[in-house]
Amino acid sequence: SQTIHQWPATLVQPVGSPLSLECTVEGTSNPNLYWYRQAAGRGLQLLFYSVGIGQISSEVPQNLSASRPQDRQFILSSKKLLLSDSGFYLCAWRGKGHAGHEQYFGPGTRLTVT
Amino acid sequence: RKEVEQDPGPFNVPEGATVAFNCTYSNSASQSFFWYRQDCRKEPKLLMSVYSSGNEDGRFTAQLNRASQYISLLIRDSKLSDSATYLCVVNSVGGGSNYKLTFGKGTLLTVNP
Repeated sequence: SQTIHQWPATLVQPVGSPLSLECTVEGTSNPNLYWYRQAAGRGLQLLFYSVGIGQISSEVPQNLSASRPQDRQFILSSKKLLLSDSGFYLCAWRGKGHAGHEQYFGPGTRLTVT
Repeated sequence: RKEVEQDPGPFNVPEGATVAFNCTYSNSASQSFFWYRQDCRKEPKLLMSVYSSGNEDGRFTAQLNRASQYISLLIRDSKLSDSATYLCVVNSVGGGSNYKLTFGKGTLLTVNP
């Protein structure tokens, strides 16, 4: 069965510090991978998605970036965090080769920028 | 019109009640529809897909009306454990968006003893 991992689970970082969040998927090959952010009391916002190694599509201009160095690894980064970057960061995967569009989420990283 | 719009809620119901969630979507070309459930401070989890013919999973029934671009979720005999935020989700359409889902803001349900 497929599993998705994210770490760290929680993070408190000062404004201006760098960020690196990691997501890995097990039990599937060549998945589509997604980064979402959910700010307090708000809906899910898609930040980036990737259909393959090195292929990143950005949805929202911001000070965040994403990379996919391996098939089942997706990394979210920032060089300098802003207060507005606080939120719940969720990684998700979707398998290719079947008709459904459903995505499956990791446990998330709760980021507080102080 | 928002891409996916849900009842704003919140809903507070007693145990055993029947509760219905409504959702509308703007793109008539959308093909896939889902309900996700999100517990407080947890990740969203797929509750059920929604098919044109309607589908049922135990106490949960999902309906799709393509003509009205309307999706619903009915929970019968609600349990305390049903307390969560329910998210209406539709696949994005057009351009390079085939890989994406659009999430509604969610409706919070609290089931009270």
